[in-house]
Amino acid sequence: KAGVTQTPRYLIKTRGQQVTLSCSPISGHRSVSWYQQTPGQGLQFLFEYFSETQRNKGNFPGRFSGRQFSNSRSEMNVSTLELGDSALYLCASSLDRQGGYNEQFFGPGTRLTVL
Amino acid sequence: AQSVAQPEDQVNVAEGNPLTVKCTYSVSGNPYLFWYVQYPNRGLQFLLKYITGDNLVKGSYGFEAEFNKSQTSFHLKKPSALVSDSALYFCAVAWAAGNKLTFGGGTRVLVKP
Repeated sequence: KAGVTQTPRYLIKTRGQQVTLSCSPISGHRSVSWYQQTPGQGLQFLFEYFSETQRNKGNFPGRFSGRQFSNSRSEMNVSTLELGDSALYLCASSLDRQGGYNEQFFGPGTRLTVL
Repeated sequence: AQSVAQPEDQVNVAEGNPLTVKCTYSVSGNPYLFWYVQYPNRGLQFLLKYITGDNLVKGSYGFEAEFNKSQTSFHLKKPSALVSDSALYFCAVAWAAGNKLTFGGGTRVLVKP
């Protein structure tokens, strides 16, 4: 089974621009979560989507948004980029079975550099 | 608020020696606990989880972890470390339903030959 894929792997943008990152979950997985990883703040939860609906949200400004499509693929968007948005953005998918916690499987990440 | 702490930024160990990476958490209810490992320029790889049941959990690559409710700890262990175990290790916790993971700050493990 193919793992979680993220595109692009690397991205360079300038301040003020916007960016869209894409995540394709493992086949059959319906939940997709996004995390931001930076040296200073570590790994922080952005949001989770399930069945095209945002189910959980972290403490990030409204510039960070996401969506999920009917095939469970997800995109996240960051508008009006700031230098501090430079990070590794990780996507994770899970089965979301009923009655138990489902481990998340992570993609390789998209490294965003804001100049 | 839920939180996870990894008190050591780095752990150095000689190859063949036991490896322990520490993790403690603040509790509200019954947490789900996880360990992930990250190699350079890679995403996170799942090692093991504790949901309920036996306090000693065995995972991938010879790793295990012990859940200690009284000490609110979930330390990761490996009896004999390999050079290839050198990586960044993250402890994570989730509460109840949903897939929001709260991560510790990470511990860099360096195994020397």
